[in-house]
Amino acid sequence: KAGVTQTPRYLIKTRGQQVTLSCSPISGHRSVSWYQQTPGQGLQFLFEYFSETQRNKGNFPGRFSGRQFSNSRSEMNVSTLELGDSALYLCASRTDGNEKLFFGSGTQLSVL
Amino acid sequence: TQLLEQSPQFLSIQEGENLTVYCNSSSVFSSLQWYRQEPGEGPVLLVTVVTGGEVKKLKRLTFQFGDARKDSSLHITAAQPGDTGLYLCAGDNDYKLSFGAGTTVTVRA
Repeated sequence: KAGVTQTPRYLIKTRGQQVTLSCSPISGHRSVSWYQQTPGQGLQFLFEYFSETQRNKGNFPGRFSGRQFSNSRSEMNVSTLELGDSALYLCASRTDGNEKLFFGSGTQLSVL
Repeated sequence: TQLLEQSPQFLSIQEGENLTVYCNSSSVFSSLQWYRQEPGEGPVLLVTVVTGGEVKKLKRLTFQFGDARKDSSLHITAAQPGDTGLYLCAGDNDYKLSFGAGTTVTVRA
């Protein structure tokens, strides 16, 4: 069974640009969550989608948005990038009602 | 401010020694999870504890959940270089995980 797949693996952008990250969950998993990991703040919850609906949201500005498609694949978008957005963005999936979370390898975003 | 406080932040030990990592919070969680993350990879779930006072063993790793479900500890017996990594605890409330800052463990051969 394939794991959680995130693309791209690395990304370099400049301030003011926007970026879209992609996540394909494990087959059969309808819940997809996104996390931001930085050395200073650690892992922070961005949002969670289930059956194409945002079910939960963390404390991030509106520049961070996401969506989920009917095949459970998810995308995360960050607009008007800031230097502080440089981080490892992790996607995780799970079956509903099961607390076991499976993470992808992440997308390392660098904002210059 | 982290909802979950982990200590110590860094731990470097010799192969064969024991170590304990602590995770404390002022909040009660429905469950608490422990993950290990290696460089360049996402966290991998080690264990989930749900019941206050629960103890779970995974080979040389022992996990405890406090009676009040606010704190937890991870004990590794006879650590090996393969145990090296970032250990993260996470509290789960309603599909939203709150992570501690992590403990970086280095086991020297």
